[in-house]
Amino acid sequence: AQTVTQSQPEMSVQEAETVTLSCTYDTSESDYYLFWYKQPPSRQMILVIRQEAYKQQNATENRFSVNFQKAAKSFSLKISDSQLGDAAMYFCAYFTGNQFYFGTGTSLTVIP
Amino acid sequence: NAGVTQTPKFRVLKTGQSMTLLCAQDMNHEYMYWYRQDPGMGLRLIHYSVGEGTTAKGEVPDGYNVSRLKKQNFLLGLESAAPSQTSVYFCASSYSSHYGYTFGSGTRLTVV
Repeated sequence: AQTVTQSQPEMSVQEAETVTLSCTYDTSESDYYLFWYKQPPSRQMILVIRQEAYKQQNATENRFSVNFQKAAKSFSLKISDSQLGDAAMYFCAYFTGNQFYFGTGTSLTVIP
Repeated sequence: NAGVTQTPKFRVLKTGQSMTLLCAQDMNHEYMYWYRQDPGMGLRLIHYSVGEGTTAKGEVPDGYNVSRLKKQNFLLGLESAAPSQTSVYFCASSYSSHYGYTFGSGTRLTVV
């Protein structure tokens, strides 16, 4: 079975600082995709960043970047220059076949 | 452009009642999904569809049925609601199995 572990239930960061959210996963698959989703209080699931497992280069999207360590099955999210609007629940997700497997989430607080 | 629309947004049911949640997408996506989100947990897949007239079980299908009679609609049914089905339900659709995933804004269902 696929499992995704987010070991940090809560994190906080000062505005304009950098924070890293951790994620590890367990799989025997070789072909899969990894995602970070943001869920603000509105409940909407918003795609933050996406990584194909076959790509060695780490994905980046503006202030968001990942550190993908395939051998270690690690997929951390770095948020640079944190903004108040980044406050949300962040979910790491693994995708293979036709299914997402989500972690339990990390609640990020941004301190002004 | 509505994207993925879920109806209703909130509902309270009594144990044993039945109801249907409607998911509609206007992006001509082939793939549609129903997830549930419980406190302290990530989203878990209930059922999904890879095209009109097709459905398949996900991770937690018991107690639910689905139908995809039209490409744009994916219905989730609860025949006899139980308190364990109290959750937030998310519908999603995608262009391919892992690309262009779009979530609806969720339905909060309470079974008393």
